[in-house]
Amino acid sequence: QKEVEQNSGPLSVPEGAIASLNCTYSDRGSQSFFWYRQYSGKSPELIMFIYSNGDKEDGRFTAQLNKASQYVSLLIRDSQPSDSATYLCAVTGSGGYQKVTFGTGTKLQVIP
Amino acid sequence: DGGITQSPKYLFRKEGQNVTLSCEQNLNHDAMYWYRQDPGQGLRLIYYSQIVNDFQKGDIAEGYSVSREKKESFPLTVTSAQKNPTAFYLCASSDRDFGYFGPGTRLLVL
Repeated sequence: QKEVEQNSGPLSVPEGAIASLNCTYSDRGSQSFFWYRQYSGKSPELIMFIYSNGDKEDGRFTAQLNKASQYVSLLIRDSQPSDSATYLCAVTGSGGYQKVTFGTGTKLQVIP
Repeated sequence: DGGITQSPKYLFRKEGQNVTLSCEQNLNHDAMYWYRQDPGQGLRLIYYSQIVNDFQKGDIAEGYSVSREKKESFPLTVTSAQKNPTAFYLCASSDRDFGYFGPGTRLLVL
């Protein structure tokens, strides 16, 4: 069983719409949750992190965490073609970032 | 500027040859990592190091070797024992809370 699961996509949304990316994890002791964006041929870039249940907003991005249901999501409002990338979910446990586990990523396509 | 550098950007390996990928960071992070990414695939951990002069195997260490003689540097050697080395290699470093990636090295076999 995969420890961090994401739908590989591609997820296609029209420009200006809300893109919703989801991630589930198996370890109930997980404590920190990250979203990385990876453009084709480039390295992953950290864009959001969340520790507590609820929502965390940063510009057009909102991370949502529900520890009881063991899922974390990333919402991108007013999606732009430049948001087209693969989004990686990463989860850490009590060991801190050194025990990070990555999902395989969801490919997002924003259609102009 | 603080960050992680990897060199070279592209590396070509001949059959039977060992090659070394460089990774340097000036973020003062204790932990460093090497990942391999194949086309359309997720990240697979090769080796990681939590402190100077210490490192541990990840999920796919066979055919690879590392050293950690300095806090800033964590070079990866792809040996001739690695039969399918063509991939995108990513170095990362972290403090306790956050991890960051270098720009990557793309390794190709001639």
